[in-house]
Formats: sequence, structure tokens, C-alpha cells
Amino acid sequence: TQLLEQSPQFLSIQEGENLTVYCNSSSVFSSLQWYRQEPGEGPVLLVTVVTGGEVKKLKRLTFQFGDARKDSSLHITAAQPGDTGLYLCAGAPGNQFYFGTGTSLTVIP
Amino acid sequence: NAGVTQTPKFRILKIGQSMTLQCTQDMNHNYMYWYRQDPGMGLKLIYYSVGAGITDKGEVPNGYNVSRSTTEDFPLRLELAAPSQTSVYFCASSTRGNSGNTIYFGEGSWLTVV
Repeated sequence: TQLLEQSPQFLSIQEGENLTVYCNSSSVFSSLQWYRQEPGEGPVLLVTVVTGGEVKKLKRLTFQFGDARKDSSLHITAAQPGDTGLYLCAGAPGNQFYFGTGTSLTVIP
Repeated sequence: NAGVTQTPKFRILKIGQSMTLQCTQDMNHNYMYWYRQDPGMGLKLIYYSVGAGITDKGEVPNGYNVSRSTTEDFPLRLELAAPSQTSVYFCASSTRGNSGNTIYFGEGSWLTVV
């Protein structure tokens, strides 16, 4: 059983469409992070959300932390081919640092 | 700027062989981690360390061992390699264990067990 479950696992959309990726857990986190990973490279941090209900925007990407701090979402507006990659949420309920199951996004030109 | 350095980048092992993946960081981070990642999937924590001399199991420790004799180094040992250990391995470090701090990754080690 994964501590952080992401959905969907795979997503293929046309350029210009909107999408939302979800990260869910039964545990409470003091903060959650979102990463993007491209093939052959390590994950790169996009954002950290800390406060329950917090919303952060990074250009066309909007991140939200659930009120109960057990879940988070990533919304991409008008997706571009450059958004293609593996999106990972991550959090640390203690000393361990766990990653979610991952969402593989493909944006078709 | 070295950051987190892991070697080798690629390795092919035969079933039953052993090897060590090396990891070193020059940022004086207390926390270090080893993850494995299967294609298209998230990272699974193998082992982690909160400081020199201290190691703990993560989600998938079976078949692996680690040591942390210094702050800088955190090698991962594979004993009796199995095909199920074919994966990409990432070493990482951070200043603290909670996700409020950035975690820095090595470039990954691609391991194939045949």
C-alpha cells in the first residue's frame, strides 16, 4: 500500500486542454511537494504547499493543499507539449520522505 | 557544484552477483536517501539515514543494505542480485527529513540484472 496515491496514473491529452492530477493519502502531512521528472533525469521540485487550503500558482500550473492536509491537486491550464513528463507528489510524515505513485502526462501537439 | 554524486551510471549484473552503488554529497546534509524507480512509476524509498552512523529501512529494503560511516557517503549494497532489482536507483540528500526542505537528487544509476 502506497502512502501517497496519485490519479490518474497515465494521462494523454491534446495541446490546449486543461487537466488535474490528484495526490491522496490517509495520513496528515505538514507539507507536500510536487515534482516533475523528465526521462533519464532526477525529479525537479515545482512547489511546496504548507498550509491547509493553500493555493499556489506557477504560471499555468495551480497547486492546492487540502484543508485537512491529506491531499493535494495539480491543475494545468492550456497544456503545452513542454508539460510532458512524470509528475510526482511527495511528503514526509517524519524522517522518511515518500513519493507518490506518479502521473505520466503526455501532451500531444 | 557537485551536489549529490552517484556511481556507476549504468551497470549490468548477472543473477547472484553483488555490487555497491556509491553516493556522496558535499552539502553537509544530515539526511540521505536511496530510492528505486521502475519505468513510469514513482520513487520507492529503500533506505534512509538521518546522520552518520544511523540508518533505517524504507518501503522496500529487502535485498539491500546500506551504511553511513560519514556524513558525506551513503553507499547502497545489493547482495545476490535478482531480476526484480532491475531499476533506476536515485540517491538524494536534504537538510532535514520533512518536506519543507528541498531534496537534492543524484543523476541516477541504471541497473539491469540478467
